Amino acid sequence: DAGITQSPRHKVTETGTPVTLRCHQTENHRYMYWYRQDPGHGLRLIHYSYGVKDTDKGEVSDGYSVSRSKTEDFLLTLESATSSQTSVYFCAISESAEYNEQFFGPGTRLTVL
Amino acid sequence: AQTVTQSQPEMSVQEAETVTLSCTYDTSESDYYLFWYKQPPSRQMILVIRQEAYKQQNATENRFSVNFQKAAKSFSLKISDSQLGDAAMYFCAYRSGYGGSQGNLIFGKGTKLSVKP
Repeated sequence: DAGITQSPRHKVTETGTPVTLRCHQTENHRYMYWYRQDPGHGLRLIHYSYGVKDTDKGEVSDGYSVSRSKTEDFLLTLESATSSQTSVYFCAISESAEYNEQFFGPGTRLTVL
Repeated sequence: AQTVTQSQPEMSVQEAETVTLSCTYDTSESDYYLFWYKQPPSRQMILVIRQEAYKQQNATENRFSVNFQKAAKSFSLKISDSQLGDAAMYFCAYRSGYGGSQGNLIFGKGTKLSVKP
C-alpha cells in the first residue's frame, strides 16, 4: 500500500470556524490532490499540487485553500467552514500527471454543524 | 471537457456469478487512461484495474476484466466468480494522457454493487 496518511480521520466543527486537514505521504510523489466525496457526485477535485509551492484550483475550489511547503505534506484549509462543506475528503498522490495511477489516502469525514 | 457516466446506480449479483458494470465517457482526446476504483464500506479507494487508450487489448486482473470499446467510448468492468468481498461502490475514472489539469481524475458517480450469498 502507498504510504499516505490523513489527519484527522474524523472531525466535527461549527460553522464559521477554520479547519485544516493534513495529507502526508512517504512515497516522494510529485503530484498531490484533494478531492471531496458527496452522495450522488462521486469524487470531485478541490485543489492539486504539482510540486512544492506549486498548486492550482480544481472543479470545486471555492471556500478552500491549500499549501505545500514540503514534498510530503499537502494541507487543505477551510477558512470559515460552512455546512455545505460537510463531506468526506480524500487526498491522493501520483508520480506523474499522465501515466501513473493515483493512490488514495483513507479519507477524512468532516461534519460542519 | 471530459465527462464520465455510470448509468447503473445500483447492481446486484449472486455469489459465484458474473456481473458487468457499465461506464461511458466523453472526450476529444486520443491519449488517455481509464480506471476502475473500488470503495468498500471502509471508504478506502482501491485501484482495481487500468486501461491505456492506445492499447487494443483489454486489461485483466485475476477475476476482473474490462471491455474497452474506444470508438464507442465505453469501458465496462466484468467481475467473474463474484465474492462477498466484492460488495462495494465502484467508480469509473478518466485521466488525460496529455497531463491536462496536471492529471486529475474525472470520476463517474459510482455503482453500488451488492453480492447475495
